[in-house]
Amino acid sequence: SAVISQKPSRDICQRGTSLTIQCQVDSQVTMMFWYRQQPGQSLTLIATANQGSEATYESGFVIDKFPISRPNLTFSTLTVSNMSPEDSSIYLCGGWQNTEAFFGQGTRLTVV
Amino acid sequence: KNQVEQSPQSLIILEGKNCTLQCNYTVSPFSNLRWYKQDTGRGPVSLTIMTFSENTKSNGRYTATLDADTKQSSLHITASQLSDSASYICVVSPGNSNYQLIWGAGTKLIIKP
Repeated sequence: SAVISQKPSRDICQRGTSLTIQCQVDSQVTMMFWYRQQPGQSLTLIATANQGSEATYESGFVIDKFPISRPNLTFSTLTVSNMSPEDSSIYLCGGWQNTEAFFGQGTRLTVV
Repeated sequence: KNQVEQSPQSLIILEGKNCTLQCNYTVSPFSNLRWYKQDTGRGPVSLTIMTFSENTKSNGRYTATLDADTKQSSLHITASQLSDSASYICVVSPGNSNYQLIWGAGTKLIIKP
């Protein structure tokens, strides 16, 4: 399956600032997605993103807080804006290739 | 409501022993069921994916079973190794959505030497 490089792998950020997470796929992928995983919890879908169109956000997530870019078929970014300690979590990008859903290594974000 | 429930929540076994993790789902219509392994602080890695017509699928020491009638699946790990320590997550895709994934809470497995 495709391989995703996600960075940064971890970061500690001050509240009120923003962090952009990048994901690069080694092959073309139609649909990419972003998940959040809070400590000890399962994955929660933030949004899905197709190349050239606006991301589709799940209930509870809004574009102003989590803007997503998808400029081409191999790259996507997620920005966590105006961060608060409640945003401390692991953020995972991924994509679909045929019926396979594959994931990046995750970004562990701590907001202080 | 579409749900995936896993048991046990956590499990500790000795290295070399076998174990079986359980998954029950209420997702309907059903498309496929996946098992993922997630090491602490890392992204999930796919172990198996099974469709309605498949009863069992193996990936090395991992064997998944599926009973679509009772809506149950299991993941059996043979001759466990320390590197098997991870969370194992059961994920079901509904039949009416190509890209939707319904996630279980996972079973945290700890292998002790």
